[in-house]
Amino acid sequence: QEKVQQSPESLIVPEGAMVSLNCSFSDSASQSIWWYQQHPGKGPKALISIFSNGNKKEGRLTVYLNRASLHVSLHIKDSQPSDSAVYLCAVSDNNNAPRFGAGTKLSVKP
Amino acid sequence: GPKVLQIPSHQIIDMGQMVTLNCDPVSNHLYFYWYKQILGQQMEFLVNFYNGKVMEKSKLFKDQFSVERPDGSYFTLKIQPTALEDSAVYFCASSPGHSYEQYFGPGTRLTVL
Repeated sequence: QEKVQQSPESLIVPEGAMVSLNCSFSDSASQSIWWYQQHPGKGPKALISIFSNGNKKEGRLTVYLNRASLHVSLHIKDSQPSDSAVYLCAVSDNNNAPRFGAGTKLSVKP
Repeated sequence: GPKVLQIPSHQIIDMGQMVTLNCDPVSNHLYFYWYKQILGQQMEFLVNFYNGKVMEKSKLFKDQFSVERPDGSYFTLKIQPTALEDSAVYFCASSPGHSYEQYFGPGTRLTVL
Protein backbone atom coordinates (compact mmCIF):
# COMPACT_ATOMS: atom_id res chain seq x y z
CA GLN A 1 0.00 0.00 0.00
CA GLU A 2 1.21 3.46 -0.94
CA LYS A 3 2.95 5.43 1.83
CA VAL A 4 3.12 9.18 1.42
CA GLN A 5 5.45 11.33 3.52
CA GLN A 6 5.54 15.11 3.49
CA SER A 7 8.12 17.59 4.75
CA PRO A 8 8.46 19.93 6.45
CA GLU A 9 5.60 19.55 8.94
CA SER A 10 5.24 23.31 9.13
CA LEU A 11 6.75 26.36 7.55
CA ILE A 12 6.61 30.07 8.35
CA VAL A 13 7.74 32.48 5.63
CA PRO A 14 7.48 36.22 4.98
CA GLU A 15 5.14 37.49 2.28
CA GLY A 16 6.79 37.34 -1.14
CA ALA A 17 9.03 34.37 -0.31
CA MET A 18 9.39 31.28 -2.50
CA VAL A 19 7.94 28.23 -0.74
CA SER A 20 9.11 24.66 -1.36
CA LEU A 21 7.10 21.67 -0.14
CA ASN A 22 8.22 18.06 -0.42
CA CYS A 23 6.44 14.75 -0.83
CA SER A 24 7.92 11.27 -1.12
CA PHE A 25 6.02 8.12 -2.00
CA SER A 26 6.74 4.43 -1.85
CA ASP A 27 5.55 2.97 -5.17
CA SER A 28 7.28 3.84 -8.44
CA ALA A 29 4.19 2.64 -10.31
CA SER A 30 2.18 5.48 -8.84
CA GLN A 31 -0.05 6.88 -11.55
CA SER A 32 -0.79 10.41 -10.46
CA ILE A 33 0.16 12.95 -7.86
CA TRP A 34 -2.14 15.76 -6.84
CA TRP A 35 -1.51 18.67 -4.50
CA TYR A 36 -4.42 19.95 -2.44
CA GLN A 37 -4.88 23.00 -0.23
CA GLN A 38 -6.93 22.71 2.95
CA HIS A 39 -8.06 25.65 5.04
CA PRO A 40 -9.22 25.10 8.65
CA GLY A 41 -12.70 23.60 8.85
CA LYS A 42 -12.89 23.01 5.08
CA GLY A 43 -12.43 20.13 2.68
CA PRO A 44 -9.27 19.91 0.55
CA LYS A 45 -9.26 21.73 -2.78
CA ALA A 46 -7.18 20.56 -5.72
CA LEU A 47 -4.38 22.85 -6.87
CA ILE A 48 -2.25 21.06 -9.44
CA SER A 49 -1.43 17.57 -10.65
CA ILE A 50 1.44 15.81 -12.37
CA PHE A 51 1.56 12.45 -14.08
CA SER A 52 4.87 12.37 -15.95
CA ASN A 53 8.46 12.93 -14.93
CA GLY A 54 9.50 16.54 -15.18
CA ASN A 55 7.81 19.75 -14.19
CA LYS A 56 4.55 21.58 -14.71
CA LYS A 57 3.83 25.27 -14.13
CA GLU A 58 0.47 26.88 -13.46
CA GLY A 59 0.52 30.51 -12.41
CA ARG A 60 2.56 30.87 -9.23
CA LEU A 61 2.71 27.09 -8.76
CA THR A 62 5.35 24.72 -10.14
CA VAL A 63 5.45 21.00 -9.44
CA TYR A 64 8.43 18.70 -10.06
CA LEU A 65 8.19 14.92 -10.26
CA ASN A 66 11.14 12.53 -10.15
CA ARG A 67 9.87 8.95 -10.30
CA ALA A 68 13.34 7.46 -9.92
CA SER A 69 13.74 9.11 -6.52
CA LEU A 70 10.04 8.72 -5.65
CA HIS A 71 9.83 12.44 -4.95
CA VAL A 72 7.59 15.30 -5.91
CA SER A 73 7.81 18.93 -4.84
CA LEU A 74 5.52 21.93 -5.00
CA HIS A 75 6.91 25.44 -5.26
CA ILE A 76 4.87 28.55 -4.64
CA LYS A 77 6.33 31.75 -6.02
CA ASP A 78 5.67 35.15 -4.44
CA SER A 79 3.73 33.68 -1.51
CA GLN A 80 0.78 35.63 -0.11
CA PRO A 81 -0.91 35.59 3.33
CA SER A 82 -3.92 34.01 1.59
CA ASP A 83 -1.69 31.01 0.74
CA SER A 84 -1.61 30.16 4.47
CA ALA A 85 -3.15 26.69 4.72
CA VAL A 86 -2.26 23.02 4.98
CA TYR A 87 -0.89 21.54 1.75
CA LEU A 88 -1.60 17.89 1.09
CA CYS A 89 0.08 15.55 -1.36
CA ALA A 90 -2.12 12.73 -2.72
CA VAL A 91 -0.75 9.75 -4.65
CA SER A 92 -2.67 7.07 -6.51
CA ASP A 93 -1.91 4.19 -8.84
CA ASN A 94 -3.94 2.20 -11.36
CA ASN A 95 -5.57 0.05 -8.72
CA ASN A 96 -5.84 2.13 -5.58
CA ALA A 97 -7.62 5.27 -4.50
CA PRO A 98 -5.54 8.34 -3.61
CA ARG A 99 -3.63 8.24 -0.34
CA PHE A 100 -2.72 11.46 1.43
CA GLY A 101 0.35 12.59 3.30
CA ALA A 102 0.07 14.23 6.72
CA GLY A 103 0.44 17.68 5.16
CA THR A 104 2.60 20.76 5.53
CA LYS A 105 1.14 23.69 7.44
CA LEU A 106 2.19 26.92 5.72
CA SER A 107 1.97 30.33 7.36
CA VAL A 108 2.80 33.39 5.26
CA LYS A 109 3.37 36.46 7.41
CA PRO A 110 2.53 39.94 6.03
CA GLY B 1 -17.27 25.31 -9.60
CA PRO B 2 -18.79 21.91 -8.89
CA LYS B 3 -19.65 21.33 -5.25
CA VAL B 4 -20.00 18.31 -3.03
CA LEU B 5 -22.49 18.72 -0.19
CA GLN B 6 -22.45 16.84 3.11
CA ILE B 7 -25.31 16.52 5.56
CA PRO B 8 -25.26 17.03 8.50
CA SER B 9 -22.31 19.29 9.22
CA HIS B 10 -22.13 18.05 12.81
CA GLN B 11 -23.62 14.99 14.50
CA ILE B 12 -23.43 14.07 18.17
CA ILE B 13 -24.51 10.58 19.18
CA ASP B 14 -24.11 8.10 22.01
CA MET B 15 -21.75 5.17 21.64
CA GLY B 16 -23.54 2.12 20.24
CA GLN B 17 -26.05 4.11 18.21
CA MET B 18 -26.29 4.02 14.44
CA VAL B 19 -25.34 7.03 12.34
CA THR B 20 -25.71 7.77 8.64
CA LEU B 21 -23.57 10.41 6.98
CA ASN B 22 -24.91 11.77 3.71
CA CYS B 23 -23.03 13.04 0.70
CA ASP B 24 -24.42 14.70 -2.43
CA PRO B 25 -21.62 14.27 -4.98
CA VAL B 26 -21.03 16.22 -8.19
CA SER B 27 -23.78 15.12 -10.57
CA ASN B 28 -21.82 13.51 -13.41
CA HIS B 29 -19.09 11.96 -11.29
CA LEU B 30 -18.61 8.22 -11.21
CA TYR B 31 -16.19 7.58 -8.34
CA PHE B 32 -17.04 8.24 -4.71
CA TYR B 33 -14.85 8.19 -1.61
CA TRP B 34 -14.97 8.52 2.15
CA TYR B 35 -11.98 9.72 4.16
CA LYS B 36 -11.58 10.10 7.94
CA GLN B 37 -9.63 12.91 9.55
CA ILE B 38 -9.11 13.10 13.29
CA LEU B 39 -8.59 16.72 14.33
CA GLY B 40 -5.19 17.99 13.18
CA GLN B 41 -4.15 14.61 11.85
CA GLN B 42 -3.77 12.86 8.53
CA MET B 43 -6.57 12.32 6.01
CA GLU B 44 -7.09 8.54 6.10
CA PHE B 45 -8.69 6.65 3.23
CA LEU B 46 -11.72 4.55 4.16
CA VAL B 47 -13.44 3.34 1.00
CA ASN B 48 -14.10 4.03 -2.65
CA PHE B 49 -17.21 3.13 -4.58
CA TYR B 50 -17.84 2.80 -8.31
CA ASN B 51 -20.63 1.40 -10.41
CA GLY B 52 -22.63 0.43 -7.35
CA LYS B 53 -19.81 -1.52 -5.71
CA VAL B 54 -17.05 -1.09 -3.16
CA MET B 55 -13.84 -1.07 -5.20
CA GLU B 56 -11.35 -0.74 -2.38
CA LYS B 57 -11.45 -0.38 1.39
CA SER B 58 -8.82 0.17 4.04
CA LYS B 59 -8.29 -1.50 7.41
CA LEU B 60 -10.10 1.47 8.98
CA PHE B 61 -13.28 0.44 7.16
CA LYS B 62 -14.47 -1.88 9.92
CA ASP B 63 -17.29 -4.41 9.64
CA GLN B 64 -19.54 -1.86 11.34
CA PHE B 65 -19.18 0.44 8.32
CA SER B 66 -21.21 0.24 5.13
CA VAL B 67 -21.69 2.44 2.07
CA GLU B 68 -24.35 2.68 -0.60
CA ARG B 69 -25.78 4.98 -3.22
CA PRO B 70 -29.31 3.80 -3.89
CA ASP B 71 -30.67 4.92 -7.30
CA GLY B 72 -28.14 7.72 -7.77
CA SER B 73 -29.24 9.58 -4.68
CA TYR B 74 -27.02 10.39 -1.71
CA PHE B 75 -23.80 8.45 -1.25
CA THR B 76 -24.03 7.34 2.38
CA LEU B 77 -21.69 6.06 5.05
CA LYS B 78 -23.43 4.14 7.80
CA ILE B 79 -21.77 3.16 11.06
CA GLN B 80 -23.61 0.62 13.21
CA PRO B 81 -22.82 0.46 16.07
CA THR B 82 -20.63 3.49 16.67
CA ALA B 83 -17.56 3.45 18.95
CA LEU B 84 -15.70 6.26 20.70
CA GLU B 85 -12.82 6.00 18.22
CA ASP B 86 -15.19 6.82 15.36
CA SER B 87 -15.19 10.46 16.50
CA ALA B 88 -13.61 12.41 13.62
CA VAL B 89 -14.42 14.55 10.61
CA TYR B 90 -15.59 12.45 7.69
CA PHE B 91 -14.98 13.83 4.22
CA CYS B 92 -16.80 12.69 1.13
CA ALA B 93 -15.20 13.15 -2.29
CA SER B 94 -16.20 12.44 -5.87
CA SER B 95 -14.30 12.39 -9.14
CA PRO B 96 -15.18 11.87 -12.81
CA GLY B 97 -12.60 9.10 -13.18
CA HIS B 98 -9.82 7.22 -11.45
CA SER B 99 -6.74 9.44 -10.88
CA TYR B 100 -8.76 12.55 -11.74
CA GLU B 101 -9.16 15.53 -9.41
CA GLN B 102 -11.19 14.74 -6.31
CA TYR B 103 -13.85 17.21 -5.25
CA PHE B 104 -14.30 17.23 -1.48
CA GLY B 105 -17.27 18.19 0.62
CA PRO B 106 -16.92 20.38 3.74
CA GLY B 107 -16.97 17.35 6.03
CA THR B 108 -19.26 16.01 8.74
CA ARG B 109 -17.92 16.28 12.28
CA LEU B 110 -19.01 13.16 14.16
CA THR B 111 -18.79 13.16 17.94
CA VAL B 112 -19.45 9.85 19.70
CA LEU B 113 -20.04 10.19 23.45
